[in-house]
Amino acid sequence: DQQVKQNSPSLSVQEGRISILNCDYTNSMFDYFLWYKKYPAEGPTFLISISSIKDKNEDGRFTVFLNKSAKHLSLHIVPSQPGDSAVYFCAASATGANSKLTFGKGITLSVRP
Amino acid sequence: NAGVMQNPRHLVRRRGQEARLRCSPMKGHSHVYWYRQLPEEGLKFMVYLQKENIIDESGMPKERFSAEFPKEGPSILRIQQVVRGDSAAYFCASSLLEQGITEAFFGQGTRLTVV
Repeated sequence: DQQVKQNSPSLSVQEGRISILNCDYTNSMFDYFLWYKKYPAEGPTFLISISSIKDKNEDGRFTVFLNKSAKHLSLHIVPSQPGDSAVYFCAASATGANSKLTFGKGITLSVRP
Repeated sequence: NAGVMQNPRHLVRRRGQEARLRCSPMKGHSHVYWYRQLPEEGLKFMVYLQKENIIDESGMPKERFSAEFPKEGPSILRIQQVVRGDSAAYFCASSLLEQGITEAFFGQGTRLTVV
């Protein structure tokens, strides 16, 4: 039972363009969502998060949008840079769940110079 | 200010042997989480520990797996009688506060290969 779904395994974009990474969830108890970035042979690095009381959170080139009714969130990276090439994981947490995270399978982003 | 340290980075074990994975949290962090990433999968929660206490082990297999976080020393994830299906990357994360998962920092992981 995949509670957090990242249905596209990979995405390739041109440097300078926008990258849009999508994530869907099924558990309505989730109220906090996070994006992690992971390079090969390294651990995940926290990127940006959003609480369910918001529908948008922005941090520099990264913006996360949350559509609660659709149980959908997306990460926008603009402009995309070659250094953004990595695997991006969407994760979700529920209040009272001891802060444990449920991760999606990840999306491999490749930014072409 | 060292980050979360995991060792070994790579571990090879034959079927039936024991695997011990160590995690030293960031200085001052008293909350540790273990996650497992199977090939082509996302990270899956295994266990959440505080010093000398297991808070949530709902993601850990009932047999062969155990975890501890003693008062002194690193957190240990122990897998007895390993099987090929245990081959995975095991990540540890630590945080300062129980609710501070966004402040949780991940280690580089231990890649376990069972041959």
